[in-house]
Amino acid sequence: DVKVTQSSRYLVKRTGEKVFLECVQDMDHENMFWYRQDPGLGLRLIYFSYDVKMKEKGDIPEGYSVSREKKERFSLILESASTNQTSMYLCASSLYSGLITDTQYFGPGTRLTVL
Amino acid sequence: DQQVKQNSPSLSVQEGRISILNCDYTNSMFDYFLWYKKYPAEGPTFLISISSIKDKNEDGRFTVFLNKSAKHLSLHIVPSQPGDSAVYFCAASGGGGSYIPTFGRGTSLIVHP
Repeated sequence: DVKVTQSSRYLVKRTGEKVFLECVQDMDHENMFWYRQDPGLGLRLIYFSYDVKMKEKGDIPEGYSVSREKKERFSLILESASTNQTSMYLCASSLYSGLITDTQYFGPGTRLTVL
Repeated sequence: DQQVKQNSPSLSVQEGRISILNCDYTNSMFDYFLWYKKYPAEGPTFLISISSIKDKNEDGRFTVFLNKSAKHLSLHIVPSQPGDSAVYFCAASGGGGSYIPTFGRGTSLIVHP
């Protein structure tokens, strides 16, 4: 079974702090994704990566950056946390098979609260 | 502008009856569609998918129907069970050659015993 783990289930940070959210997958997947989920807004893509050291902006990248130094690990960084970044953050991974969309496997999520 | 729309934020159904969750899309380039289920405090899990070359795909109690001309798909759950209570996300991909799925906003299904 594919396993995607996220470093924290719950996190409370203060405005202006630098925040790191870590995600690890154990199935050698090429693709990794960061989403945020907010009530009434569904899943919105922040960033994704299709290979080590490669990253692409998603729909809402402002205020975030990412790092992928190893294939299994994808980090989301909030350079200076703000209250509007309070949200549920979900990491996902998938195989790459050309133009076919492969199933995404999601982690359990990190509930981030910025005070 | 939403390319994938789930216009019903919530749906309530009696146990044993059929649940029908709807999804509309605007991008005619989409050629692959997926449904994910999400329980509270858990990540979404893949449920079922359908390619645009088909109009129906079935997996146990779950069936997805695709109407390309109407740009509409639906997920049928028969019979519905209380354990099906969750948020269901519709997703679509293939628009502009992208394999990255675009998600709808989700429909919260509650199945009453």
